[in-house]
Amino acid sequence: DAMVIQNPRYQVTQFGKPVTLSCSQTLNHNVMYWYQQKSSQAPKLLFHYYDKDFNNEADTPDNFQSRRPNTSFCFLDIRSPGLGDAAMYLCATTGTARDGYTFGSGTRLTVV
Amino acid sequence: AQKITQTQPGMFVQEKEAVTLDCTYDTSDPSYGLFWYKQPSSGEMIFLIYQGSYDQQNATEGRYSLNFQKARKSANLVISASQLGDSAMYFCAMRVISNFGNEKLTFGTGTRLTIIP
Repeated sequence: DAMVIQNPRYQVTQFGKPVTLSCSQTLNHNVMYWYQQKSSQAPKLLFHYYDKDFNNEADTPDNFQSRRPNTSFCFLDIRSPGLGDAAMYLCATTGTARDGYTFGSGTRLTVV
Repeated sequence: AQKITQTQPGMFVQEKEAVTLDCTYDTSDPSYGLFWYKQPSSGEMIFLIYQGSYDQQNATEGRYSLNFQKARKSANLVISASQLGDSAMYFCAMRVISNFGNEKLTFGTGTRLTIIP
């Protein structure tokens, strides 16, 4: 029944070692979002796709990249993770406003 | 600037009592949407309720209702008959239009609600 699926649920990576987080959706929505949420903070938008159009937030570090090969899948690549990148990463999609934004369960990233 | 403010970092409420979580917002866009999400310790974001800026009536979803006061720019969440399972972080969020002309969701800082047996 899960409509937005994030894998893995937990990810441990080494300092500086590239890591990829994945998100898939079964809702066929045009828009997909990646949020970063650090401990006890609000989610912060990193970037979003409208179809294949990539929209980067102005303050998103270059260390973060994203790919969307098709409507269903979206990937977050962290090229050289630092300790400050440890966070929960949330993927979301949206259809109509009243349906809300549907979030995945998130990937909790630990950098060691 | 478009901004969401939640002034209650934490709240403790007795089980079965009603609770109100405060949210104020600021936007110059005449068309906007307001959301409330629940985030339990597991981390997932659970959509609770939505209010559109042109909606004439306050939104309700089961035990959740939204006290929308447009002139005061507030959108408080009311949970009736609170339950132990309501203990979680609650975020107020606003749909805004990004610089690219697309919509995105911006969040308040959240309120941690703890229900006491």
